[in-house]
Amino acid sequence: NAGVTQTPKFQVLKTGQSMTLQCAQDMNHNSMYWYRQDPGMGLRLIYYSASEGTTDKGEVPNGYNVSRLNKREFSLRLESAAPSQTSVYFCASSREGARTEAFFGQGTRLTVV
Amino acid sequence: AQSVTQPDIHITVSEGASLELRCNYSYGATPYLFWYVQSPGQGLQLLLKYFSGDTLVQGIKGFEAEFKRSQSSFNLRKPSVHWSDAAEYFCAVGVDHGGSQGNLIFGKGTKLSVKP
Repeated sequence: NAGVTQTPKFQVLKTGQSMTLQCAQDMNHNSMYWYRQDPGMGLRLIYYSASEGTTDKGEVPNGYNVSRLNKREFSLRLESAAPSQTSVYFCASSREGARTEAFFGQGTRLTVV
Repeated sequence: AQSVTQPDIHITVSEGASLELRCNYSYGATPYLFWYVQSPGQGLQLLLKYFSGDTLVQGIKGFEAEFKRSQSSFNLRKPSVHWSDAAEYFCAVGVDHGGSQGNLIFGKGTKLSVKP
């Protein structure tokens, strides 16, 4: 019963490097999300995908890109990492809409030096 | 604009004591309300949710929450706290057409510490 799986769990990058965070869900959910969590800031939405084939910007999209590869997978890419992107990243999924709960992955702790 | 406020950043309670975590929301339509818990180093897990009907909802781990429309509140309670309840708690409101906020708007969280 995997739910939402994120890889990697930890990553250290140098400024300017790129990387892709992977996320997959096995619950046949339509909607998927990427959040970042910083101390005192709660969860901030980076990008989301309401359904396969669509993506939309969240509150803090600058410096990130996403790909909804198929219904299961939603990846987050940092093209040129900056220290301000040091954070814990969470992927989540939900069936769709406001009434459905979100299921979260375990998170990726990213440090940019 | 839609928003969720958790007034308490950090709360400390003694083991066995009762707990109430506050949550206020701002949303013009009927809210769909959630409480999530995040243990250290983990993702968020749903504790309970409210969509309609009985305003007192029961969740996992002995938690309950009461929806009060007149106060725009959805406070989380537990009669007797256990040391394992130490975690961060997030209140959230589900909205339609949230735009850049998405469908689920979170408060900033309340960190709960439990004294032995």
